[in-house]
Amino acid sequence: DTGVSQDPRHKITKRGQNVTFRCDPISEHNRLYWYRQTLGQGPEFLTYFQNEAQLEKSRLLSDRFSAERPKGSFSTLEIQRTEQGDSAMYLCAVAGGPGYPFFGPGTRLTVL
Amino acid sequence: GQNIDQPTEMTATEGAIVQINCTYQTSGFNGLFWYQQHAGEAPTFLSYNVLDGLEEKGRFSSFLSRSKGYSYLLLKELQMKDSASYLCAVFTGGGNKLTFGTGTQLKVEL
Repeated sequence: DTGVSQDPRHKITKRGQNVTFRCDPISEHNRLYWYRQTLGQGPEFLTYFQNEAQLEKSRLLSDRFSAERPKGSFSTLEIQRTEQGDSAMYLCAVAGGPGYPFFGPGTRLTVL
Repeated sequence: GQNIDQPTEMTATEGAIVQINCTYQTSGFNGLFWYQQHAGEAPTFLSYNVLDGLEEKGRFSSFLSRSKGYSYLLLKELQMKDSASYLCAVFTGGGNKLTFGTGTQLKVEL
C-alpha cells in the first residue's frame, strides 16, 4: 500500500501567522518529498528526506520554511510568519526503493 | 540547474491520438516520469522511462531519447476523462530529486 494522507486538507490563515502541515505515509517509504504548487504551474520542489535525513532543500525556500521527519515515517512542514505569496497547494510524495513517487492529496493553504 | 520544457496547452478530439512533447536539460539524469493531474487533485503516476525507447501501457505510451534530452507521451483513443494536466518530471542526482515541468493542459473535445 503506497497511500499517503495529509492534514489538514485546507488551511486558511491570516498573514503573519505560523502554520504546520503533516504528511503521513500509510506504510514505510524511505524517501519523502515536499512540493508547492500554484495554479497553472507544475509542482515546485521544496525539500527531500531519505529516512530521517533532510538531503536537499530548495534555494527558493526561505528561512521561514522548515521541515522535519523525526522518525523517518511522518513529516511536518512549518511556515512561519506566513505571507500572501505562500498561498498554494502543498504536496507530499513518498517513494520506496526504486519506486516512483506517490503523491498525497495535498494541503491547500490560503493566506489572507 | 534543471530546465524542463513542455507546451502549455493542447486541444484534441475524442477518439483521436495526441502526442505531448517534453525536452529537458539536466545534470545527473536518472529517469523521466509522466504524471496526470486533474484539476484540484494530486498528480498520479502514468509512466517511467530510464532507457531509450518506447514504453507502452494500454492507451498510454511514453518515449525517451537521452541523447536528445527528449520525451513524449502518446495518448490513443482519447476520452473526455483524459482532459487534464500532463506533467513531465526528471529524476536527477544521487538524491533522486524529482523536478517537474510546468505541465501541459490537455483539453479533449467532442
